[in-house]
Amino acid sequence: QSALTQPASVSGSPGQSITISCTGASSDVGSYPLVSWYQQYPGKAPKLIIYEGSKRPSGVSNRFSGSKSGNTASLTISGLQAEDESDYYCCSYAGSSTLVFGGGTKVTVL
Amino acid sequence: QVQLQESGPGLVKPSETLSLICTVSGGSISSSSYYWGWIRQPPGKGLEWIGSMFYSGHTDYNPSLKSRVTISVDTSKNQFSLKLSSMTTTDTAVYYCARQKWSTRDFDSWGQGTLVTVSS
Repeated sequence: QSALTQPASVSGSPGQSITISCTGASSDVGSYPLVSWYQQYPGKAPKLIIYEGSKRPSGVSNRFSGSKSGNTASLTISGLQAEDESDYYCCSYAGSSTLVFGGGTKVTVL
Repeated sequence: QVQLQESGPGLVKPSETLSLICTVSGGSISSSSYYWGWIRQPPGKGLEWIGSMFYSGHTDYNPSLKSRVTISVDTSKNQFSLKLSSMTTTDTAVYYCARQKWSTRDFDSWGQGTLVTVSS
């Protein structure tokens, strides 16, 4: 069970859109729709922002959207704002009741 | 609104067993809609799923940690616990407990986390 692959960092200017990729394998991301995304500020607990690939929990901004193609899931942040500067993690169901996280992506707002 | 709170020692010696408790308030740990899980994060690094359990006692563990992990539940106290044996310095991390939706397997509520340092 290997960690999912995310870019270490992604940056964008306010108002732009950015996309964070999360690449797994046919045994995890490629086989199940159960990909979730978490936002984590320094020193704080992660917060769920996308579940089941593309669904947003109540209260999460619609600027966050999720998608999947093959073995790669993606998180898009549109209309980038200063408050979006944070770390983001993907997580996928990997079969046999196990889960695997990505290594995390630091988003910088220029 | 459910809240989770981790408790336990902040310092553990190498080779010892870590014991953490997660106390759940504002909701029942006996709900059939949720698992209850542990996740950890070494300083400056990413998240790692440790394991999850159902109130019935059914448990699922990360294969890489399975030989050292035990997760158990105390429904009378609305708590669940983590035991991680044979601790080494690489187990130094912030340990989080979290509520996990049974149907979609995501963690929708988290504790604040507790830093555990392994050092002699």
